[in-house]
Amino acid sequence: NAGVTQTPKFQVLKTGQSMTLQCAQDMNHNSMYWYRQDPGMGLRLIYYSASEGTTDKGEVPNGYNVSRLNKREFSLRLESAAPSQTSVYFCASSEAPQGPRGYTFGSGTRLTVV
Amino acid sequence: DAKTTQPNSMESNEEEPVHLPCNHSTISGTDYIHWYRQLPSQGPEYVIHGLTSNVNNRMASLAIAEDRKSSTLILHRATLRDAAVYYCILRDVVQGGSEKLVFGKGMKLTVNP
Repeated sequence: NAGVTQTPKFQVLKTGQSMTLQCAQDMNHNSMYWYRQDPGMGLRLIYYSASEGTTDKGEVPNGYNVSRLNKREFSLRLESAAPSQTSVYFCASSEAPQGPRGYTFGSGTRLTVV
Repeated sequence: DAKTTQPNSMESNEEEPVHLPCNHSTISGTDYIHWYRQLPSQGPEYVIHGLTSNVNNRMASLAIAEDRKSSTLILHRATLRDAAVYYCILRDVVQGGSEKLVFGKGMKLTVNP
């Protein structure tokens, strides 16, 4: 099925470890996004990429880096994980940043930092 | 970013219509009204969007007030699978405007069998 694929689905890290969350979409969308969702909260934007080759900070970028590897893939890296980064991470894509249509979201990566 | 206001929660009965309200009194002329929903342990799912006119699709209907300061998502026959958190979001599509979807806490819909 077409959509947004995130890997891994679950991950436990120790404080200070690093990891990369992978995201790929097969809908030929131009724009991709990384959100985090803490318990009982709405989603907050970490970084986004309006088009291949560009990335911009969102609301909560500290502690994260991103790479738009190609049009399909957008990865999120935690260089030195902290317990405050325990969250569910969602990747999303859309046709264009200014387009009126909806985003397609992945099923999420549940990250626990101990 | 223009804000939206939704009730924290609502309850409905299975197979009955349910109207989910959203207030957005500071909406600008270029803001689209988007609705998403998030089922338990899943990512958000696009439901519907509109600008000025009422909209219908296979999932729901969106009724937009004439002054655009409020809107209502209508599920014509609620099912247990419609139990989710619903988000009403404004999205500016003017070049140079906000490119991001800003999610609030949303509204939890409970569907009783």
